[in-house]
Amino acid sequence: EPEVTQTPSHQVTQMGQEVILRCVPISNHLYFYWYRQILGQKVEFLVSFYNNEISEKSEIFDDQFSVERPDGSNFTLKIRSTKLEDSAMYFCASSEVADTIYFGEGSWLTVV
Amino acid sequence: AQSVTQLDSQVPVFEEAPVELRCNYSSSVSVYLFWYVQYPNQGLQLLLKYLSGSTLVKGINGFEAEFKKSETSFHLTKPSAHMSDAAEYFCAVSGPPGNTGKLIFGQGTTLQVKP
Repeated sequence: EPEVTQTPSHQVTQMGQEVILRCVPISNHLYFYWYRQILGQKVEFLVSFYNNEISEKSEIFDDQFSVERPDGSNFTLKIRSTKLEDSAMYFCASSEVADTIYFGEGSWLTVV
Repeated sequence: AQSVTQLDSQVPVFEEAPVELRCNYSSSVSVYLFWYVQYPNQGLQLLLKYLSGSTLVKGINGFEAEFKKSETSFHLTKPSAHMSDAAEYFCAVSGPPGNTGKLIFGQGTTLQVKP
């Protein structure tokens, strides 16, 4: 069964460093998303991406965040200058027609 | 704005007892509704969804949910719990159809299954 894959599964970074989280969405999907889950809290929407541009973003997704689809298969989330409060599980997700969304296993980011 | 309320943060049940996890939503537009399950240290797995049609939807692992528009509810049920059902369950809403597909999640409910 096709699945969304994410790398790395866990990353520890120092405050102020740049981080790139990578995702390979399901191959025939056209809509891509990033969500995050701070430990013990609910899953929060960050951004959606369609047709090579951001279609919607949340208030969390400020100027330190960016997304990119550098080629036909990868979808990345970049955090320019990480803060302690960016520590969370980051989920990549994709959807064929923006109704049913499938999630990856997540990337744990720990900022120290 | 849309929101989702999961009324119980934890639901303890005995093995083979029935399960009900409650979910209410708020939305001024038509919605799609979902339940996801998260096992420890794993990602979110789609359990079931309501997009349109029959308001009683069946999902994986014997779970089902009923969309009740008048009550703005989408409660998850299972007739008999297994130990393997112990996990975190998230209710989510998106909409309206044709939108970006962004999901709004509830706080989650931890299902505890006791032998």
